[in-house]
Amino acid sequence: DQQVKQNSPSLSVQEGRISILNCDYTNSMFDYFLWYKKYPAEGPTFLISISSIKDKNEDGRFTVFLNKSAKHLSLHIVPSQPGDSAVYFCAASANTGNQFYFGTGTSLTVIP
Amino acid sequence: DSGVTQTPKHLITATGQRVTLRCSPRSGDLSVYWYQQSLDQGLQFLIQYYNGEERAKGNILERFSAQQFPDLHSELNLSSLELGDSALYFCASTRTGRSEKLFFGSGTQLSVL
Repeated sequence: DQQVKQNSPSLSVQEGRISILNCDYTNSMFDYFLWYKKYPAEGPTFLISISSIKDKNEDGRFTVFLNKSAKHLSLHIVPSQPGDSAVYFCAASANTGNQFYFGTGTSLTVIP
Repeated sequence: DSGVTQTPKHLITATGQRVTLRCSPRSGDLSVYWYQQSLDQGLQFLIQYYNGEERAKGNILERFSAQQFPDLHSELNLSSLELGDSALYFCASTRTGRSEKLFFGSGTQLSVL
């Protein structure tokens, strides 16, 4: 039962353009969402988070948008850089604990 | 460097065997999590410990067990190994174990032949 879904396994974007990575969830109790970036042979590293009381959070080139009614969040990277090429995971948890449910990841390739 | 240390980085073993994966959390973190990433799968939550006590359990098989020791390091024991147990096993830690971002180690790649 996949409660967090990333339906695009891969995405290619030209350098300087916007990358949009999408994530859907099914559990309406989820109230805290994270995005992680993962390079090969490394563990996932935290990128940005958003709680359900907000609909947008920005950190430099990275912005996460949350649409609670649609149970959808997205990560925007502007402008995209070759160093952004990695696998991106979204994750969600409910306030009852810190058990995070992860999506299957989207592999982003930024083409120079 | 996240500050979370996992050993070994790679482990190759045979079916039916037992292995132990080790995790040292970031300094000051009390909660440890174990995740499994199989091919083409997301990170599947296995189990969480907080200050030595089990706090949450996910899709952990009965053949698997874990514990967190008084010095807060954790071990994940996998027994009667099957080919399907081949995966990347990640450990993560947080300070309080509630509504916080996870800090991940670099993982242990387990190959069961």
